[in-house]
Amino acid sequence: QLQLQESGPGLVKPSETLSLTCTVSGGSISSSSYYWGWIRQPPGKGLEWIGSIYYSGSTYYNPSLKSRVTISVDTSKNQFSLKLSSVTAADTAVYYCARHFRYYDILTGSLYYMDVWGKGTTVTVSS
Amino acid sequence: AIRMTQSPSSLSASTGDRVTITCRASQGISSYLAWYQQKPGKAPKLLIYAASTLQSGVPSRFSGSGSGTDFTLTISCLQSEDFATYYCQQYYSIWTFGQGTKVEIK
Repeated sequence: QLQLQESGPGLVKPSETLSLTCTVSGGSISSSSYYWGWIRQPPGKGLEWIGSIYYSGSTYYNPSLKSRVTISVDTSKNQFSLKLSSVTAADTAVYYCARHFRYYDILTGSLYYMDVWGKGTTVTVSS
Repeated sequence: AIRMTQSPSSLSASTGDRVTITCRASQGISSYLAWYQQKPGKAPKLLIYAASTLQSGVPSRFSGSGSGTDFTLTISCLQSEDFATYYCQQYYSIWTFGQGTKVEIK
């Protein structure tokens, strides 16, 4: 059974870089059927997609965060990672990683929805 | 970017009620819409994809409909375990979530 586990520091200082890793177990990150991504949820608020990556390294980022976000993949470790630079208190949130499952449509090609999620990790930005 | 707007933001209902949540996209997304359920302190759980296809293991009291810009999630007979927050998400053009609908006990 596929499982995703987020890991990284729970406390980050303002202006520094937030770094998280998602470890995939029970399946290969190198499958052509999936994207892998990050989503966050500030306290008491809704879900915000951050960005996603294919095993080849192809990425998509949320335009509102693009200038500060880097997502990378390490297929040898079955992991993908998130870096968010110049953090402020507004970046305090629960951060989730998720698998994006491929849905093929003859008209539009391959599109991906999020079917398996990690449990999430809380990151607080504070000095 | 495609914006997703859910209504209502919250609702109160009783066990056994029929509940409907709506989601509107700012532009047409065909049927590329998913619904998620989230309980406090837990990760979201996929309920429906492709607007109306039930994810494996999800009870049949959940159903989805719609295409283009207007979508609905219906819970036919609300159970105690269904009190949660529900999110729609489009995956037609990158990914965007609605703001959520909290289903509370009346």
